[in-house]
Amino acid sequence: DQQVKQNSPSLSVQEGRISILNCDYTNSMFDYFLWYKKYPAEGPTFLISISSIKDKNEDGRFTVFLNKSAKHLSLHIVPSQPGDSAVYFCAASAGSWSGTYKYIFGTGTRLKVLA
Amino acid sequence: KAGVTQTPRYLIKTRGQQVTLSCSPISGHRSVSWYQQTPGQGLQFLFEYFSETQRNKGNFPGRFSGRQFSNSRSEMNVSTLELGDSALYLCASSPNTIRGNSYEQYFGPGTRLTVT
Repeated sequence: DQQVKQNSPSLSVQEGRISILNCDYTNSMFDYFLWYKKYPAEGPTFLISISSIKDKNEDGRFTVFLNKSAKHLSLHIVPSQPGDSAVYFCAASAGSWSGTYKYIFGTGTRLKVLA
Repeated sequence: KAGVTQTPRYLIKTRGQQVTLSCSPISGHRSVSWYQQTPGQGLQFLFEYFSETQRNKGNFPGRFSGRQFSNSRSEMNVSTLELGDSALYLCASSPNTIRGNSYEQYFGPGTRLTVT
C-alpha cells in the first residue's frame, strides 16, 4: 500500500516557467512533509519541508503548499532552471514531534527543464 | 565538513550470499537511517539507528539487519540474498536537532548492490 504517491513519473517544463510537482498521501497521521531532489549517481538532497500546522512554506525559488483536507502537497519552482532537472521525491512522516526519523517516500517525479 | 560516506559504492553478489554495507555519517550526527531504492518503488525505509539503538523499523524481512557503533558509524547486513534485493541502498544521517521546523536528513551517494 503506497501511502505517499507521486502520480506523474515525469514532467517537462520550459526554462523560466513554473514547475509544479504533486504528491498525495493517504495517512492522516502524517504531520511533516519534505521534498528531496536527486541527481543520477548521488544521494537525495533536502530541498524544503513543511509542518502540518502550516499550509505554505517558501525558500527562494521553491514553495511547498499543503492541503490537509485533500491530503495533497505540491512543490512549485519559479522560475525553473535547467539545473533543476532531476528526480524529485516527496516524503512524509508521522510523529515527527518525537524527533524520530521514519519517512515514507513517494516514487519520484523526473523533472526536465528545457532550455 | 565531510558528507555522508558509504562503502562500497558498487557490489555484485550471488543469490544465497550475504553482504554488509557501511555508512559513516556526518561528524556529530547521531541518527542514521537506511533506505532501499528500486525502480518504481521509490525509497523504502529500512531502519533508523540512534545512539547504537534501533529506533524505527520498516517492513522488511528479518534478512535485513543493521547496527550502529559508538562512533555513530552504521552497518547494514543482508543475509541469504535474493535477486529482488538488487537495489541502491542509501544511508542518511541527521543531527537530530530541531532547526525551525526542519528535520533534515543528509544522504550518502548509496551502494549499488546487484544480485545475480
